Amino acid sequence: DIQMTQSPSSLSASVGDRVTITCRASQGIRNDLGWYQQKPGNAPKRLIYAASSLQSGVPSRFSGSGSGTEFTLTISSLQPEDFATYYCLQHNSYPYTFGQGTKLEIK
Amino acid sequence: EVQLLESGGGLVQPGGYLRLSCAASGFTFSSYAMSWVRQAPGKGLEWVSSITYSGDTTYYADSVKGRFTISRDNSKKTLYLQMNSLRAEDTAIYYCARDRYRNIVLVPAATTLFDYWGQGTLVTVSS
Repeated sequence: DIQMTQSPSSLSASVGDRVTITCRASQGIRNDLGWYQQKPGNAPKRLIYAASSLQSGVPSRFSGSGSGTEFTLTISSLQPEDFATYYCLQHNSYPYTFGQGTKLEIK
Repeated sequence: EVQLLESGGGLVQPGGYLRLSCAASGFTFSSYAMSWVRQAPGKGLEWVSSITYSGDTTYYADSVKGRFTISRDNSKKTLYLQMNSLRAEDTAIYYCARDRYRNIVLVPAATTLFDYWGQGTLVTVSS
């Protein structure tokens, strides 16, 4: 099984900050990775697919990069509505696996 | 508008069973693989199971293999998850999500994989 190691597990930041979240795969997964945002009580929402493609309707301050084993999600300028938990997901092979999540909190 | 609506959750005793349903609308259900993902209280997301667009191939997490069965009825545009021999650790919100399109040459898998989710249904396994 492919393990996804996501870091950090939590992050405290301020409105306007630039933040980066990382996911590392235990083996190469090409660009078969997505990033998801989840707010309390809601279903996850896809932000990025194919490692770097922005989901329609998602603000351009979100961006993804990487290929192979290392991937990043960057929020260029944090907005109040961005405080949530973020997950990466690899779909290169079954079982699909999620990262452990990064809880982004207001400083 | 794509919509996925789960139902069938509830409280069940350990060793019991439940069948979850996910009613789809707003897209050609029979052309997409579908998946179930769960989230235990206060925990992260866990992929549970997937099924191809035709229903002829299924995949399961080791944690549910042999106890859960995924299926679909394309005529009813509905996805199912039959859960048997339930354990306390199966307590979670269960989400259905759209997966890859039937022709990944025409539509790359990543384009639609988990792009839409239902609102979830809560399963509680407790005596």
